[in-house]
Amino acid sequence: GAGVSQSPSNKVTEKGKDVELRCDPISGHTALYWYRQRLGQGLEFLIYFQGNSAPDKSGLPSDRFSAERTGGSVSTLTIQRTQQEDSAVYLCARRERGESEQYFGPGTRLTVT
Amino acid sequence: AQSVAQPEDQVNVAEGNPLTVKCTYSVSGNPYLFWYVQYPNRGLQFLLKYITGDNLVKGSYGFEAEFNKSQTSFHLKKPSALVSDSALYFCAVRDPATDSWGKLQFGAGTQVVVTP
Repeated sequence: GAGVSQSPSNKVTEKGKDVELRCDPISGHTALYWYRQRLGQGLEFLIYFQGNSAPDKSGLPSDRFSAERTGGSVSTLTIQRTQQEDSAVYLCARRERGESEQYFGPGTRLTVT
Repeated sequence: AQSVAQPEDQVNVAEGNPLTVKCTYSVSGNPYLFWYVQYPNRGLQFLLKYITGDNLVKGSYGFEAEFNKSQTSFHLKKPSALVSDSALYFCAVRDPATDSWGKLQFGAGTQVVVTP
């Protein structure tokens, strides 16, 4: 596989609730990216982690979105007070040091009702 | 700023015929270019990349792409399409001159439909 697992695969939540999405780049200690894919659209960059450097949060759409990466491996994307427009597939990707291509996990489909 | 365009929302082709999926880009420097494929309810799979060197790059599943600097294009091609090639295809670009983080800018995607 791509060496990235994500959980849950599907999440249905009520508007206003908080959700946590998990990404595990199985190989560990690689660069990690989060993207959002709305229905019928391309991918939007959200956030990037690399080693001990400060993450690049430039793509986060609002302060309701946050992410952390513990121990240089597993990452959690948190969306607070979810809104219907947050409904999308959230994809996580890893990139090995020295490589350019990213490898994607299967994604988490989030539905906010 | 970097950007990428896929001018066709959908491409229809008969099985056995050549398949082309178009991509054009805009970056300030020399681009890194990528193609990904997404099957239904699956994540994106890496197909191929162009970094430097030969303008024709070969990738997975018999796909290839040609980098054309003068036309700022990176079209994906397959000489003989299969029904199983039906999927959503994304072109992506990175401008290493302005981005050291490895962020990719994705096109909107092109749906490929291969009919038997």
